[in-house]
Amino acid sequence: DVVMTQSPLSLSVTLGQPASISCRSSQSLVYSDGIIYLNWFQQRPGQSPRRLIYKVSNRDSGVPDRFSGSGSGTDFTLKISRVEAEDVGVYYCMQGTHWPKTFGQGTKVEIK
Amino acid sequence: EAQLVEFGGGLVQPGGSLRLSCEASGFMFSGYWMAWVRQAPGKGLEWLANIKEDGSETYYVDSVKGRFTISRDNVGNSLYLQLSSLRVEDTALYYCVRDNDFWGQGTLVTVSS
Repeated sequence: DVVMTQSPLSLSVTLGQPASISCRSSQSLVYSDGIIYLNWFQQRPGQSPRRLIYKVSNRDSGVPDRFSGSGSGTDFTLKISRVEAEDVGVYYCMQGTHWPKTFGQGTKVEIK
Repeated sequence: EAQLVEFGGGLVQPGGSLRLSCEASGFMFSGYWMAWVRQAPGKGLEWLANIKEDGSETYYVDSVKGRFTISRDNVGNSLYLQLSSLRVEDTALYYCVRDNDFWGQGTLVTVSS
C-alpha cells in the first residue's frame, strides 16, 4: 500500500499567519492518465471530513482562496495563507491513484 | 443539496454481524462511485471499500476483504455495507462517501463483549 507521510503532525499558528503542511507519498502518484489524484481534507472538531483540494491544486466549491495546494510526483503541500479561527481541525492528505486509497496520519492545526 | 445519511450502527459482540445503510439524496446517486471509510475513536481515516456506479465492480482494503460486503440499490438511492466476523478493532465511525468529495455524518459501530 502507498504510505502517505504528513509533517508536522501538529501545528500551532497565530491568527492571520500562514501555515504549511507537507505530505509525501511512498511512490509516485501519477496515474496512467497523467493525472495526480492527491486530495486534501479538513476535519473540524466533531465534524465529518470535508474535501478542500482535489488533483493536487484544485479548490472545491466554497473553499476560501486562502487554501492552496501544490506539488508533484511524491511531494505535496497544503498552504493556508492567513489562518483564521474556523481553520482549527485536522488536515489529511489522501491519494486516490493506487488501490487501496490511503490517507496521511493527519495534521492537527490549532491557534496559538 | 447533496445529503448522505448513514444508519445501522450499534453495539455488537465479537464475531457478530451488522448491516450499515446510507440513504442518498440531492444528487444523481446512480452516476457516482460510492465508498465506505471508517475512523476509529481518536484515530485517522481508513478507506474500506468502493463500488462502481452500476455496482458491477467492488474493491476492498485487505483488512476487511472477505468479511465486509459493499452493495448498492440505485432505485432506492441507497448504499450498504454488510459487516461480518466483526473484531474489536473494527470499532469505528463508519462514513458513507460519494466518490471522494462528499461525506455523511457517520454511524458508530462498537464491537465489544
